[in-house]
Amino acid sequence: GEDVEQSLFLSVREGDSSVINCTYTDSSSTYLYWYKQEPGAGLQLLTYIFSNMDMKQDQRLTVLLNKKDKHLSLRIADTQTGDSAIYFCADSPLNKLIFGAGTRLAVHP
Amino acid sequence: DSGVTQTPKHLITATGQRVTLRCSPRSGDLSVYWYQQSLDQGLQFLIQYYNGEERAKGNILERFSAQQFPDLHSELNLSSLELGDSALYFCASSVDGTPGHQQYFGPGTRLTVT
Repeated sequence: GEDVEQSLFLSVREGDSSVINCTYTDSSSTYLYWYKQEPGAGLQLLTYIFSNMDMKQDQRLTVLLNKKDKHLSLRIADTQTGDSAIYFCADSPLNKLIFGAGTRLAVHP
Repeated sequence: DSGVTQTPKHLITATGQRVTLRCSPRSGDLSVYWYQQSLDQGLQFLIQYYNGEERAKGNILERFSAQQFPDLHSELNLSSLELGDSALYFCASSVDGTPGHQQYFGPGTRLTVT
């Protein structure tokens, strides 16, 4: 079946790096995504990675993909208070997005 | 602002009632998706339309239906509402509905069933 799992909470100090991990079961997806949801807001696409890539860097964001282990991670460098939000990993079999439960990132001074 | 609009922003109704949620995709996008976000189930894909036709179906209940109109706006109809239908309903749009094109999400409609 299709399933995406991620840890529910992460707390980091401002200026440190945050790493959010995700595992998925469906390996047929062409793309895997990271979305951000701030309180009271919709989802915002942060970044995505093509399934034949191992790594993608986009400014402070680094996505690592281990296809063998079906493991995806999002690293946020120099985490700021504005990064506090829920981060969703999403798999994309066929035409739909399968989301994880979301990781709530709390950034403290 | 993603360019996707959803109305209404909030909706409060009673059990057994029927409601219609509306979505206007980004200009030029042909595909519309509906998602439900609840505390119990998390974020779930409901249904996708492309240029007026249903393309993919997810965990959508039989009490729910959707359509996409010739002007590409979409409506999600929820009937015989139950308390458990209380959730945030998101619409997203993409250029052509293929996985390579990202989905842009609207701000959501918060439905409360009392």
